[in-house]
Amino acid sequence: EPEVTQTPSHQVTQMGQEVILRCVPISNHLYFYWYRQILGQKVEFLVSFYNNEISEKSEIFDDQFSVERPDGSNFTLKIRSTKLEDSAMYFCASRGEGTQYFGPGTRLLVL
Amino acid sequence: SQQGEEDPQALSIQEGENATMNCSYKTSINNLQWYRQNSGRGLVHLILIRSNEREKHSGRLRVTLDTSKKSSSLLITASRAADTASYFCATDAKADSWGKLQFGAGTQVVVTP
Repeated sequence: EPEVTQTPSHQVTQMGQEVILRCVPISNHLYFYWYRQILGQKVEFLVSFYNNEISEKSEIFDDQFSVERPDGSNFTLKIRSTKLEDSAMYFCASRGEGTQYFGPGTRLLVL
Repeated sequence: SQQGEEDPQALSIQEGENATMNCSYKTSINNLQWYRQNSGRGLVHLILIRSNEREKHSGRLRVTLDTSKKSSSLLITASRAADTASYFCATDAKADSWGKLQFGAGTQVVVTP
């Protein structure tokens, strides 16, 4: 069964550093998403992406965040200058027929 | 803003018993989806129910949707220790064109052998 994959599974970085989280969505899906889950909290929507551009973004998704689909398969989330409060699990998702399929997540720890 | 809110927050049952959890939301939806999350792991999609559907089954899972009450329930029958996880409902609102999901805080289910 097709699945969404994410790399790395864990990332530790220093405050102020840039990180890139990578995702490979399900191949025939057209809508892509990033969410995050701070430890012990709800899953929060960050951004949706369709037709090679951002279709919607939340208040969390400020100028420090960007997304790209650099080729036909990868979908990346970049955080330019990480803050302590960016520590969270980041999930990529892709949508087909209404169902959103989530990747296993990248656990980001900012020190 | 719209949210799915699950009830109860935590549920502890014995293997073989049924587990029922509820989800309430605030605005009109296209669909509602249930997910499972084992501790610190990814979100596994369980079932999607569309706004024009009232009930769906998948294996030991039964989901109902009452759009007049803006609520949904997830029933797990004959629970197993492996069902121990957090369960989340997530809504795709009609007002949102791009399908983003809004999640509730989840129900933590513990199934003891």
